[in-house]
Amino acid sequence: DVKVTQSSRYLVKRTGEKVFLECVQDMDHENMFWYRQDPGLGLRLIYFSYDVKMKEKGDIPEGYSVSREKKERFSLILESASTNQTSMYLCASSGFGGQGDEQFFGPGTRLTVL
Amino acid sequence: AQSVTQLDSQVPVFEEAPVELRCNYSSSVSVYLFWYVQYPNQGLQLLLKYLSGSTLVESINGFEAEFNKSQTSFHLRKPSVHISDTAEYFCAVNFRGNYKLTFGKGTLLTVNP
Repeated sequence: DVKVTQSSRYLVKRTGEKVFLECVQDMDHENMFWYRQDPGLGLRLIYFSYDVKMKEKGDIPEGYSVSREKKERFSLILESASTNQTSMYLCASSGFGGQGDEQFFGPGTRLTVL
Repeated sequence: AQSVTQLDSQVPVFEEAPVELRCNYSSSVSVYLFWYVQYPNQGLQLLLKYLSGSTLVESINGFEAEFNKSQTSFHLRKPSVHISDTAEYFCAVNFRGNYKLTFGKGTLLTVNP
């Protein structure tokens, strides 16, 4: 089974802190994604990566950056956390078999910024 | 513009009743279609997908969805729901030429005894 793990299920940070969210997948997938999920808004793509050291902005990249130094690991960075970044963050991965590939999701990290 | 619309944000039903969760998309290119389910406090899991071939696709737990190209819809149905089907359901579309998934806003299905 594909497994996507995220470093924390719950995280509480203060405004202005630098926050790292880590995601690891064990299926040698090329593509990795970071989404945020908010009630009534569904999932919105923040960033994705299609290879090591490669990244592309998604629909809402402002206030976030990412890092992918190894194929299995994709990190989301909040340079200076703000209260409007309180949300559920979901990581996903998929193979490179084609655009119809399923995305596999981690359990999510619920981040609260005070 | 390419978009995905789930017409109902919440659907309450009684156990053993039939249910339909609606999904429409707007696109000028061909698409791949997905339904994901999110149980409370969990990540998303793939329920079923349409890539090509038969327009009716089924999941292992009794859900089915039909791709209707003329109506640009991919509605999810189950003839008899269980309490354990209570979850949020997301329709997602991959617009060919773009390997991102675009998600609808989700439909919360609540099955009551």
